[in-house]
Amino acid sequence: AQTVTQSQPEMSVQEAETVTLSCTYDTSESNYYLFWYKQPPSRQMILVIRQEAYKQQNATENRFSVNFQKAAKSFSLKISDSQLGDTAMYFCAFMKRTSGSRLTFGEGTQLTVNP
Amino acid sequence: NAGVTQTPKFQVLKTGQSMTLQCAQDMNHEYMSWYRQDPGMGLRLIHYSVGAGITDQGEVPNGYNVSRSTTEDFPLRLLSAAPSQTSVYFCASMLGQGHQPQHFGDGTRLSIL
Repeated sequence: AQTVTQSQPEMSVQEAETVTLSCTYDTSESNYYLFWYKQPPSRQMILVIRQEAYKQQNATENRFSVNFQKAAKSFSLKISDSQLGDTAMYFCAFMKRTSGSRLTFGEGTQLTVNP
Repeated sequence: NAGVTQTPKFQVLKTGQSMTLQCAQDMNHEYMSWYRQDPGMGLRLIHYSVGAGITDQGEVPNGYNVSRSTTEDFPLRLLSAAPSQTSVYFCASMLGQGHQPQHFGDGTRLSIL
């Protein structure tokens, strides 16, 4: 079974600064996907970024980028130029390549961006 | 395009009552899943389906039933509600394997008294 751990229950950052959220995972699989989801107070689950394990290049989406360290089983999310709208709960998630739609989530990190 | 639609958005039940949470998607997605979200625990998989007529258990299936008679609908049934089932429930759908993004519904907040 896979496990995903987010060791930072809460974080805060000043507007326009950079923040990094940590995620580690444990798996014996070699083919998998990793995701970061954002959940604002509206409760919606919004996909932020996706990484395919067989790709060495780190994924980027505008102000969001990841540091994927496959050997260390680490998948951190960096948010640059933080904005007030980035305030949300962030979840790291894991999916085996052949598992259909089954996601394993971490416990979440509540990020607050302060003006 | 409505995406994934969950109904109701809020519900209060008494212990022992039964209820069905509805989930419908209009994107012709093969895969559908139900998750529950409890404070401090992230989302946990209850049941999932890889196509009409095919369902399987996830991490926390006890107390819940599902069926998938059509591609569009994936209802979640609580046969005898218990206070431990108080949670926020999310339905999700996906077109194919993991390289496709999952689409989540807006969630159902369920309270069992």
